Order: sequence, then structure tokens, then C-alpha cells
Amino acid sequence: NAGVTQTPKFQVLKTGQSMTLQCAQDMNHNSMYWYRQDPGMGLRLIYYSASEGTTDKGEVPNGYNVSRLNKREFSLRLESAAPSQTSVYFCASSEDRNSGNTIYFGEGSWLTVV
Amino acid sequence: AQSVSQHNHHVILSEAASLELGCNYSYGGTVNLFWYVQYPGQHLQLLLKYFSGDPLVKGIKGFEAEFIKSKFSFNLRKPSVQWSDTAEYFCAVKGGSQGNLIFGKGTKLSVKP
Repeated sequence: NAGVTQTPKFQVLKTGQSMTLQCAQDMNHNSMYWYRQDPGMGLRLIYYSASEGTTDKGEVPNGYNVSRLNKREFSLRLESAAPSQTSVYFCASSEDRNSGNTIYFGEGSWLTVV
Repeated sequence: AQSVSQHNHHVILSEAASLELGCNYSYGGTVNLFWYVQYPGQHLQLLLKYFSGDPLVKGIKGFEAEFIKSKFSFNLRKPSVQWSDTAEYFCAVKGGSQGNLIFGKGTKLSVKP
């Protein structure tokens, strides 16, 4: 049981390039999330998908798009990368968004934009 | 809007010292509260959570936290830390039945052997 799997683990991009971070979960969870983690800022929610077929903006959605491809997969796309998007990105999932449900995190994707 | 405040950015302790990490939140309604831990180079793992019942919650690895509603606090404690507890600790709050999980900025704990 792998839990939440993200790819790639490390990526270096040039400013203006595009890329997609892939995420899959095998826990049959309904809800999935993308967070970014920056030093001294904690984790901030970029986008989430409460259930298959829905996506919503989180705290810091600008510069990103997401796709909930199916129940298992939730991808994050940077259309035109900027140095400010250098960060560690975490995908996460939970059974649903109801109170008390634990959110499980992937191992992170380290992205550097130069 | 809900928010979470962690008082300490970096805490340095010697092994066997007692630990208390502060966490305060702002949200007027029912909340669920979490502490996550991130060991160096790893992803976040759940330490413990509170959503109802006994306000003193026990988690993994000897950690516990106490929800004090009147103080909007959910401080994390451990009686005796070990070198292996060196990590970053995040308090998080989920407000309402369908709210998003909002994280504090984290507290780095360094335990000296």
C-alpha cells in the first residue's frame, strides 16, 4: 500500500517553462490537495479537489492549474514557471473533507525555478 | 478566516528535557486540531489530532496535546525528548465541517544528544 505517490521528486525548470506534477493515491480517498511548503511559511493550500470532478482554489492558487483526472489522480500544472514558485510541493488526500478525517501526505516534490 | 500561530520558530533542547510547543488558533466555531511532524527530508506524518471528547489527546511516540477552548490553544507536550525527535512540528486547524486544513508556520525542534 503506497499511500500518496508524487512524481517527480526533484525538478529544475527555467523561468517560463511549463511542467506538471503528478499525484496518485491508492486509499480510495475522495478528497485530494496540493500544498506548497516554503521556509518560515508552513504549508499553504494551492488547490483542492473535494471529490472526483470538482476542483477549488485554496490560499495561493495564482500561477497554477489542477486536474482531477479520476478518483486516484490529481495533477498540478505550472504553465509558465517563475522563480517565486521554487518550493517543495506536497500532494495529500483524505477520505473526504469532513471534520476529523486525517490528511495523508506524499513525500514531496522539490522544484527549483531558475 | 481561520489562522494558526505557532509561538516558537526554533527550539533547542537537550535529551531528556521536557517539551512544550505552543499553538493558538483563531476560529469562532467548532474546530478540529492536528499536530503533524516532518522529520528531515521526509513528508508530514500525523502525530495526533483532536476532534471531540477528552481535550487531552495522546499521540504516537509519547506526544500529547491539550485542547483548551477558552484559550484557543492546542499545545504539544512530551515529558522527555530524544535525539530522534529532531524534526519540524506543524500545528494545523480545520474549521467547520468542510473547512480546509490550515497550517501554522512550523517549529523546528533540535535535540542535542
